[in-house]
Amino acid sequence: DQQVKQNSPSLSVQEGRISILNCDYTNSMFDYFLWYKKYPAEGPTFLISISSIKDKNEDGRFTVFLNKSAKHLSLHIVPSQPGDSAVYFCAAQPGLNNAGNMLTFGGGTRLMVKP
Amino acid sequence: DSGVTQTPKHLITATGQRVTLRCSPRSGDLSVYWYQQSLDQGLQFLIHYYNGEERAKGNILERFSAQQFPDLHSELNLSSLELGDSALYFCASSPGSNRAGNTIYFGEGSWLTVV
Repeated sequence: DQQVKQNSPSLSVQEGRISILNCDYTNSMFDYFLWYKKYPAEGPTFLISISSIKDKNEDGRFTVFLNKSAKHLSLHIVPSQPGDSAVYFCAAQPGLNNAGNMLTFGGGTRLMVKP
Repeated sequence: DSGVTQTPKHLITATGQRVTLRCSPRSGDLSVYWYQQSLDQGLQFLIHYYNGEERAKGNILERFSAQQFPDLHSELNLSSLELGDSALYFCASSPGSNRAGNTIYFGEGSWLTVV
C-alpha cells in the first residue's frame, strides 16, 4: 500500500524551461511534506518543504504547491538547469504523534534537463 | 555536507556473514532513522530511534537490528546476509520532536554488496 506516489518515473525538459514534478498521497494524517533531490550513490539532499496549513512555499527557483483537498503536491523548478538532473523524491510526515518525524517516500522521479 | 556521518562508505561481504553500519547524527539531533535503498527501488524506512529508545519500525527484517547509544550514535546490524540485502543503507537524523515540521537530513549512505 503506497501512501505516497510519484506516478511519473522520469521527466525530460529543456534547459531554461519549467520542470513540474508531481506527487500524490493517500494518508490524511500527513501534515508536512518535503522534497529531496538525490544523485546516484549519494544521500538525499533536502530541497524544500511545506506545511499542510500552507498551499505554496517558494525558495529561489523551487516552488512547492500543496492541494490538500486533492491530496496532491507538486514541485516547480524554474528555470531548469542541467545541474538539476537527478532523482527527486517526495516525502510526507505525520502530524503530532509519538512516532517522531518518520518520512514516507514516494518512488522518485528522474529529472533530465537537456542543455 | 548534511552533518550526518556514516561508516563505512563501501562494504563487500559474503553471504551468511554479519556487518555493522555506523551513524553519527547531526549535532543536537536526538532522532536517528535508517532507510534502505535497493537497486531501482525507493527509500524504504527500516527503524527509528529517539534518544536511545526505539520509536517506530518499518520493513525491517528479523535478521536486522539497530540500537542508539547514550552518545546518540547508532548502529545497524545486519546478520545472516543474503544476496538480496545488497543495497544502499542511509542514516538520517532530526531534532526529533513529536510535531511534524522537522526536516530530516541524510548521510551519504553505506553501500553494502553481498557476494
